[in-house]
Amino acid sequence: EDKVVQSPLSLVVHEGDTVTLNCSYEVTNFRSLLWYKQEKKAPTFLFMLTSSGIEKKSGRLSSILDKKELSSILNITATQTGDSAIYLCAVCGGSNYKLTFGKGTLLTVNP
Amino acid sequence: SQTIHQWPATLVQPVGSPLSLECTVEGTSNPNLYWYRQAAGRGLQLLFYSVGIGQISSEVPQNLSASRPQDRQFILSSKKLLLSDSGFYLCACRGRLTDASPLHFGNGTRLTVT
Repeated sequence: EDKVVQSPLSLVVHEGDTVTLNCSYEVTNFRSLLWYKQEKKAPTFLFMLTSSGIEKKSGRLSSILDKKELSSILNITATQTGDSAIYLCAVCGGSNYKLTFGKGTLLTVNP
Repeated sequence: SQTIHQWPATLVQPVGSPLSLECTVEGTSNPNLYWYRQAAGRGLQLLFYSVGIGQISSEVPQNLSASRPQDRQFILSSKKLLLSDSGFYLCACRGRLTDASPLHFGNGTRLTVT
């Protein structure tokens, strides 16, 4: 059975801090790894990673995939209160390209 | 780009009552459609997916069923709700099944079974 584990499950920081969120996975026939941000309703797509070692970057957020270690990290620099959310990691794999999600990391950024 | 509509946004139903949640998609044709459930403190669990009209695959045996009567319409149903059916239900869409691209989600329905 495919498995995605995220750590930590929750994190509280102050504005301006840098945070690193972790995601490890076990999946049959890996296709891609995706990061989502979920505030109050729908998860919104952040990044998709398919190749190891390539960094995807958007403003203060960046992510890297390590296919050898079966893991990925999501970095957020100079955090702001608007970064407070649940960050979900998902892995796409198998013959039907199924997405398996982790439980998420709840990030709280205090002013 | 596609837009996913879900309704209602919130719902409170007694145990044993029926359920019907609807999802419609705009901006794409022949999409692959998904129903996920998010329970408190847990990740998203895939319930059903559909690659076309009348084609439903179930991921988890449960009290729920799904139907796809039209290309861009996906319905989640139950004949008799259980307390354990409470959760946040999300409809999602992707272009092709054999596609590692991102899922796009609707705004969800928060269901409380009392």
